[in-house]
Amino acid sequence: RKEVEQDPGPFNVPEGATVAFNCTYSNSASQSFFWYRQDCRKEPKLLMSVYSSGNEDGRFTAQLNRASQYISLLIRDSKLSDSATYLCVVTANAGKSTFGDGTTLTVKP
Amino acid sequence: EAGVAQSPRYKIIEKRQSVAFWCNPISGHATLYWYQQILGQGPKLLIQFQNNGVVDDSQLPKDRFSAERLKGVDSTLKIQPAKLEDSAVYLCASSQDRRYIQYFGAGTRLSVL
Repeated sequence: RKEVEQDPGPFNVPEGATVAFNCTYSNSASQSFFWYRQDCRKEPKLLMSVYSSGNEDGRFTAQLNRASQYISLLIRDSKLSDSATYLCVVTANAGKSTFGDGTTLTVKP
Repeated sequence: EAGVAQSPRYKIIEKRQSVAFWCNPISGHATLYWYQQILGQGPKLLIQFQNNGVVDDSQLPKDRFSAERLKGVDSTLKIQPAKLEDSAVYLCASSQDRRYIQYFGAGTRLSVL
């Protein structure tokens, strides 16, 4: 079993749709959680950190459930520019990070 | 602020040859990471440095891969000898503090023929 598992998709949605991505992790000692975005043939870039209380940044909402070892990302009112691969990242002690294999999103007109 | 610099951007070699990648992190970032990303997969951590000390290299194939970070700034990753399965993008990242938010370079795309 992988340490960080994501639904690979692909998710194909129309503009304006709401889409949710899920991620589970196996290391209960994990301390920090992130969503990164990676465009085709580009490097990953931080989308948002994920906090236990849940956090929102514009159209994006991230949630963490430590008891279930589960992280989610919700995108509302999808834009064409949201098309990318979304990587779930879990960080343990001393900053060792494990990336999921990503979920690919395509937003269509 | 300058980002993470990596070179070269592309490299094509034949199997059994050697290759080296270079990374210059963001100024002041103590932690430096090297990742291998195979097409269709997420980045896999190869080695993590804190200043010039190794924090984690558990997934580094030490029979052929080596990395160093002299003076706690620039880093090089070497593969010797390369195998076909080493074809991937090699990403360098750096982070500043205990939040461990990582900033990535553009990567080096390696093709082993």
